[in-house]
Amino acid sequence: GAVVSQHPSWVICKSGTSVKIECRSLDFQATTMFWYRQFPKQSLMLMATSNEGSKATYEQGVEKDKFLINHASLTLSTLTVTSAHPEDSSFYICSARATSGLGWAKNIQYFGAGTRLSVL
Amino acid sequence: GNSVTQMEGPVTLSEEAFLTINCTYTATGYPSLFWYVQYPGEGLQLLLKATKADDKGSNKGFEATYRKETTSFHLEKGSVQVSDSAVYFCALGTNNDMRFGAGTRLTVKP
Repeated sequence: GAVVSQHPSWVICKSGTSVKIECRSLDFQATTMFWYRQFPKQSLMLMATSNEGSKATYEQGVEKDKFLINHASLTLSTLTVTSAHPEDSSFYICSARATSGLGWAKNIQYFGAGTRLSVL
Repeated sequence: GNSVTQMEGPVTLSEEAFLTINCTYTATGYPSLFWYVQYPGEGLQLLLKATKADDKGSNKGFEATYRKETTSFHLEKGSVQVSDSAVYFCALGTNNDMRFGAGTRLTVKP
């Protein structure tokens, strides 16, 4: 099956520093990747949609200067949390959607294992 | 817009009990429907899917049927195990995005 690798799985940083999270599709190409944020015991909140070679589309209320997204290739998207603060502490999950496949196959998103960010 | 409403949890069952987690949706067009499972500290795993009306998705003893007339995609399992303890998310997918329900936490006790 399709595998999405997310790295790191857990990061602790000081307030004011920046953290980069990588999301890679290992055995398929993904023109579209998604970044989600999940608070404890809550559902996933879509932050942004990342398209290879173009600017990300951010959901309402998500600061694009705070959460920088780069989708430089068909297998890699990165999320950088700039000048992180304790309120940015959360579980961040990426997903990737395959470029190939017909119809319903394009609607399946494959998820990374998530990154737990703790900002001190 | 598209949305998913999922049965609120938490749900606590004894081992071998019957499980139903309700999910209804609102959508335009012909979306695909999914159930994802999230184990503690992990990302989401696709559990099963259905791509058109009357399709039944099944995996690991779990089943869900895409019911267009009732706009539902309820998750069922005849006999749950302790290892099924997790959070279950119902989701609706289109070419543009995926919408998730709030998630239902299932705890199965021995």
